[in-house]
Amino acid sequence: AQKVTQAQTEISVVEKEDVTLDCVYETRDTTYYLFWYKQPPSGELVFLIRRNSFDEQNEISGRYSWNFQKSTSSFNFTITASQVVDSAVYFCALTGNYGGATNKLIFGTGTLLAVQP
Amino acid sequence: KAGVTQTPRYLIKTRGQQVTLSCSPISGHRSVSWYQQTPGQGLQFLFEYFSETQRNKGNFPGRFSGRQFSNSRSEMNVSTLELGDSALYLCASSLIGGTGTDTQYFGPGTRLTVL
Repeated sequence: AQKVTQAQTEISVVEKEDVTLDCVYETRDTTYYLFWYKQPPSGELVFLIRRNSFDEQNEISGRYSWNFQKSTSSFNFTITASQVVDSAVYFCALTGNYGGATNKLIFGTGTLLAVQP
Repeated sequence: KAGVTQTPRYLIKTRGQQVTLSCSPISGHRSVSWYQQTPGQGLQFLFEYFSETQRNKGNFPGRFSGRQFSNSRSEMNVSTLELGDSALYLCASSLIGGTGTDTQYFGPGTRLTVL
């Protein structure tokens, strides 16, 4: 079965602290894709990153970085020097080719990040 | 390039009524997917449309239906509304979808309240 687990329900940090959001996934596919989305209070899901299962290279984009480890089925997200504007719910998601071609995203339950000034 | 648009943004209906939600994808995107978000169940896939055909469907009752037009715009319909249908309905578009390789870009959602 395909599953995404985000064990951290809520995280509260003070501005400028670094914070890591954990994501653990399960899939039988050999080819799959992992995503992170941000959902601010307005409700729209904002795409942050996509990573395919063949590319374990870590990625850095400004204050954001992602660590993908197939050995532990994890795709963790780190925000360096957090800011109040980072406050949102963050979702990790998985898609693949299970049961035939599909665009269906399997989402984790999300992590609410609150950055205090 | 304009993003995904959804109308209306907010809706209030009563039990037993039906509702139609609309989604316009990013220009050039041909795949449209719908998701339901509730506090209890989280984000769940409803269905995906491509070239006016439903390509995949989630585990929802037949009261939930959709369609896609030749310009890739999509609508979803919920008939005989129940209190549990209160949710944020999100539409996402991608270039071709279907393979899991595309990135889906989401609209702002329609918040449906059933009284």
